[in-house]
Order: sequence, then structure tokens, then C-alpha cells
Amino acid sequence: ELKVEQNPLFLSMQEGKNYTIYCNYSTTSDRLYWYRQDPGKSLESLFVLLSNGAVKQEGRLMASLDTKARLSTLHITAAVHDLSATYFCAVGGSLYGGSQGNLIFGKGTKLSVKP
Amino acid sequence: GAGVSQSPRYKVAKRGQDVALRCDPISGHVSLFWYQQALGQGPEFLTYFQNEAQLDKSGLPSDRFFAERPEGSVSTLKIQRTQQEDSAVYLCASSLFYEQYFGPGTRLTVT
Repeated sequence: ELKVEQNPLFLSMQEGKNYTIYCNYSTTSDRLYWYRQDPGKSLESLFVLLSNGAVKQEGRLMASLDTKARLSTLHITAAVHDLSATYFCAVGGSLYGGSQGNLIFGKGTKLSVKP
Repeated sequence: GAGVSQSPRYKVAKRGQDVALRCDPISGHVSLFWYQQALGQGPEFLTYFQNEAQLDKSGLPSDRFFAERPEGSVSTLKIQRTQQEDSAVYLCASSLFYEQYFGPGTRLTVT
């Protein structure tokens, strides 16, 4: 059974600081996703990582994937208040494999950036 | 273009009532997924359609839950005889390739 673990679950950081959120998963998968969710809102796609060593960056966020270690990281650089949200990683979990299967989500990391 | 839409956005049901939640996927998206998100948790998979075929319903928590997508576009998730533990946000997502696009969700509260 595919399991996804994120840590930390709660993160309070000051503006301008750097931090990393970790996502471990239990079995082989070919797809790793990062989503952002604001309170009361739906999920916004941030990154899709499809291969070992993949690195993607958007603004102050950078995601990477190590399929051998079954680990993805979301690195936050010089945090600003607007980044406050809950961040989820998710891994493709379908029995059918490929690109069309369902996702297994971690519990999420609630990030609070304080001035 | 238009994203995934869901209706109603909020639903309050008395325990024992039946409810129907609707999802309009992005036009042309072959795959459609339903997820359940409890308060403070990550979304959990319920069921998956490819066109009109329901390929995976392993996440449906009981036989009170039923989903359909008869014409391969709009999907309906039906919950019969609702229970308090059914209270959650129900998210629909559609996909063409790797990316899954989520709708705003329906928040179901069972009283």
C-alpha cells in the first residue's frame, strides 16, 4: 500500500527565512505533485515531478525529486507572508499506473509566515 | 478557459437524507476523480472514471456511496442515508495527462 508522509506538519517561520518541507513515500511511483491550499479553497497545482533528479522552481518555491530515496523536498527561499497556506505532496497511486491514476496525498504542512 | 466546477458549494443534510453532488470537468478531459477531504486532512481518493467507465471505486467508504458519469462528461456522487461521518469536503478533479485540476469542492455537513 502506498503511503505518503510529510514533515513537518506545522511550520511557523519568519519572513525572509529559508526552510524545507519533506515528503517521503513508501513504494515506487512515477509521479510526484505539490499542491497549495488556502483556507476554504481548493487545491492549486504548484509542481509536477516526473523523473529522478527533477527540479522545478517558481518564484520562492523550488521542488526536487529523488526517486531512489523516495523523497521529494519543497524548499522555500526568503519566505513572505503570501506563502502562508497548507502545502500537500501527492504521489500517483493507481493500480493501473501510467499518467491517469489517482493520487495519494500526505497530511499536509500548514505554513505560517510571520512578519 | 473554464475550470472544474462543482455544485452545490455547500450542502447541509439531516442524518439519513440522500444527497447528490455534481462535478463539471474541464471540457475534453478524459479522466475524472472524486476525493474526500476531512477537516485538517489531505484529500483521500474515492473513485476514478475514464470517460464513462468507472475504473476504480476502491476508495468508496461504503455501499452508501455511488458515483456515475453516464456520458463521459458530468459526474454525480451520490450518498445515500447520510451519516455524521460523511461530513467533509468532496473534491472533484479532471485530467487529460499528468496534471489533475481540482474544483472548488462541495462542503457537506450532516447534522
